[in-house]
Amino acid sequence: QTVMTQEPSLTVSPGETVTLTCASSTGAVTSGYYPNWFQQKSGQAPRALIYSTTNKHSWTPARFSGSLLGGKAALTLSGVQPEDEAEYYCLLYSGGAWVFGGGTKLTVL
Amino acid sequence: QVQVVQSGAEVKKPGASVKVSCKASGYSFTSYYIQWVRQAPGQGPEWMGVINPSSGRTVYAQKFQGRVTMTRDTSTTTVYMELSSLRSEDTAVYYCARSTVPDWDYWGQGTLVTVSS
Repeated sequence: QTVMTQEPSLTVSPGETVTLTCASSTGAVTSGYYPNWFQQKSGQAPRALIYSTTNKHSWTPARFSGSLLGGKAALTLSGVQPEDEAEYYCLLYSGGAWVFGGGTKLTVL
Repeated sequence: QVQVVQSGAEVKKPGASVKVSCKASGYSFTSYYIQWVRQAPGQGPEWMGVINPSSGRTVYAQKFQGRVTMTRDTSTTTVYMELSSLRSEDTAVYYCARSTVPDWDYWGQGTLVTVSS
């Protein structure tokens, strides 16, 4: 069973840049894992941000970007806003199944 | 506009089954997969499986094989997820989401299923 590992928590100040990562227990993450990223606020359904590593949805704010970094999938927030405080989950396709990461709780202080 | 609307909350006893619906509208129903995900209280999401509304073909996560059944009704553009032999650990919010192969986009609002004696 593949495990996707994310930073459990990160704290940033407004205006800063932060990068969240998602590592696979099976090795380096590639574009073939179709990395997706989601934002979830308390009591709400997850909201899609990024798909297929780098692609944004029409509603995704420009400050969010996706990439591959050092063998991991990455989500970068450039110029963090207070409303970005949320849980962030990666989702990767591996071995015929979709697997979510454990999530990163992003705190904006 | 694209909408994915789920059925309401359910309370079930251990050993029972639950059937959650997911009605899609605003797009070509047979052109996108429907994924099912659950999220237990305080936990991250967990993928349960996927159905192709065009063919009815399903792929289930190994953990749920034998207990989950996903079906679709093309006449009402609705997908169903039935989970049987419920136990307390199945208490969770269940979500459906529209997807292509690489792209998950629109999610339902979630359905709380509570399993309690």
